[in-house]
Amino acid sequence: AQSVTQLDSHVSVSEGTPVLLRCNYSSSYSPSLFWYVQHPNKGLQLLLKYTSAATLVKGINGFEAEFKKSETSFHLTKPSAHMSDAAEYFCVVRGGGADGLTFGKGTHLIIQP
Amino acid sequence: DGGITQSPKYLFRKEGQNVTLSCEQNLNHDAMYWYRQDPGQGLRLIYYSQIVNDFQKGDIAEGYSVSREKKESFPLTVTSAQKNPTAFYLCASSVRGNLWREQFFGPGTRLTVL
Repeated sequence: AQSVTQLDSHVSVSEGTPVLLRCNYSSSYSPSLFWYVQHPNKGLQLLLKYTSAATLVKGINGFEAEFKKSETSFHLTKPSAHMSDAAEYFCVVRGGGADGLTFGKGTHLIIQP
Repeated sequence: DGGITQSPKYLFRKEGQNVTLSCEQNLNHDAMYWYRQDPGQGLRLIYYSQIVNDFQKGDIAEGYSVSREKKESFPLTVTSAQKNPTAFYLCASSVRGNLWREQFFGPGTRLTVL
């Protein structure tokens, strides 16, 4: 079994300040973890993925995430927010075996000018 | 340009009617997926297909049907048996060797039942 919890439904930051979107997971297997971004009324775009290689993963648009097994976390960060980062972000886990993907409920990122 | 197209973008249906959502990809991907998204919720898997003429039920397949007659096409039919069909529907695809990984998503179809 696998599950994922995004700890904040909404996050608001000022443009130019750091972004932190939190994600905890559980999995019976060594997981693969993903962050996707969705702009309004659009499909999802893969930001980055962790698949048991380096624990610090760099993605597109300046985002990165760190896999911490001891904390079962995969938080998404960006040093400096841009207005174009305003969107919905989904943390996704793939545990293995016959399990598919499990999506978190999403975090709505708001960027204040 | 390679990608996934979904049509129509918006769809309105009367209760009791079946409706078919189109999904086409030119990425040469073997695997295709259908998800449903409701407000404030993550995506939930309806059906997926790893290869032509084969598909499996996902977590919420009741009231839906699919076909996979061609590699590039994976249409979804929302039947009258689906009790709450109003939602945003997303189609995705991936390379078969990367099942469940690196999914590429279409722009979605928003279905509203009147």
